[in-house]
Amino acid sequence: AQRVTQPEKLLSVFKGAPVELKCNYSYSGSPELFWYVQYSRQRLQLLLRHISRESIKGFTADLNKGETSFHLKKPFAQEEDSAMYYCALSPYSGAGSYQLTFGKGTKLSVIP
Amino acid sequence: EAQVTQNPRYLITVTGKKLTVTCSQNMNHEYMSWYRQDPGLGLRQIYYSMNVEVTDKGDVPEGYKVSRKEKRNFPLILESPSPNQTSLYFCASSSSSTGFGLHFGNGTRLTVT
Repeated sequence: AQRVTQPEKLLSVFKGAPVELKCNYSYSGSPELFWYVQYSRQRLQLLLRHISRESIKGFTADLNKGETSFHLKKPFAQEEDSAMYYCALSPYSGAGSYQLTFGKGTKLSVIP
Repeated sequence: EAQVTQNPRYLITVTGKKLTVTCSQNMNHEYMSWYRQDPGLGLRQIYYSMNVEVTDKGDVPEGYKVSRKEKRNFPLILESPSPNQTSLYFCASSSSSTGFGLHFGNGTRLTVT
């Protein structure tokens, strides 16, 4: 079974400082990894997926298969980045297994 | 507007009284899923559906039922709710074209007394 671990429940950084939200996973196959964000009183939204290798709102994430990690990074934090961030894993089966497992989330607080 | 709609947004009920939370999406997505969100536990998948008449258990299916008679609807049924099912529930949908990127509903906050 797959597992996603986000070791930090809460991460506080000052505005303008770099941000790294950690995500580690365990899965024997070749998973697809995602980051979702939930701003206060809003629904969860997809932030990034590793297969697209794009940068959204200044955030990037690289899948490191050797370390089984998918850390989310941003060079300069903004106050509007304050939110709950969830890392998620989908097992790649090729036949369409869509079971998505979420980590427990990290609350990012950006201090003005 | 493309969206996932859940109803009701808030629900307070008593133990044992059957209830249904509706979920509807207008994006013609094949895949739909239900999650519950609890403090310190994050999101846990209850049930998911690959397409019409195809459903499967997630990580925490006990005490829940689902059905997928139409592509757009995926109701969550609690036959006999208990206080440990007090939670925030999210419905989500996606398709192969979105690469599993989920579109979430606004959530339903359920309290079982």
